[in-house]
Amino acid sequence: DIQMTQSPSTLSASVGDRVTITCRASQSISSWLAWYQQKPGKAPKLLIYKASSLESGVPSRFSGSGSGTEFTLTISSLQPDDSATYYCQQYDTYSCTFGPGTKVDIK
Amino acid sequence: EVQLVESGGGLVQPGGSLRLSCAASGFTFSSYDMNWVRQPPGKGLEWFSYISRTSSGIYYADSVKGRFTISRDNAKNSLYLQMDSLRAEDTAVYYCARHTYGVGFLYWGQGTLVTVSS
Repeated sequence: DIQMTQSPSTLSASVGDRVTITCRASQSISSWLAWYQQKPGKAPKLLIYKASSLESGVPSRFSGSGSGTEFTLTISSLQPDDSATYYCQQYDTYSCTFGPGTKVDIK
Repeated sequence: EVQLVESGGGLVQPGGSLRLSCAASGFTFSSYDMNWVRQPPGKGLEWFSYISRTSSGIYYADSVKGRFTISRDNAKNSLYLQMDSLRAEDTAVYYCARHTYGVGFLYWGQGTLVTVSS
């Protein structure tokens, strides 16, 4: 099975800061990577698919990059509404796996 | 509007069984693969089961293999999860999610809580 790791596990940043989250796969997954945002008590929301494609309706301050085994999610200017937990997911195989999550707090 | 609505969660004793349902609407259910994902309280997301649009392809995570059974009824626009031999570690919110090829999980249900406890 493909294992996913994320760093950091938590981060605290100020409104307007640039924030970067890293996700690594235990083997190459080409660009079959998605990023999700989850707020407490809610289902996850798809932000980015195929590593760098922005889902419709998602603010342009979110961007993704990477391929192979290393990927990043960047929030160019952190907003109060971005306080949430972010998960990466590989879907290179039918048995997809999620990363452990990164909790983003606003200072 | 695409909607996925889970039902069937609740409190069950260790070793017991439960059947979850996911009612789909707003899209052609038979055209999409489906998944179950769960989230223990305060923890991360865990994918654990996939079913193809025709039920010809089914996959499970090792954590549930042999105990859980995924199925679907395209005529009823419904996805199911039969959970047997439940354990305390199966306590979680259970989500159904629509699989879009090349995209991932664009649509999710609201989740249903399963609590395994004596």
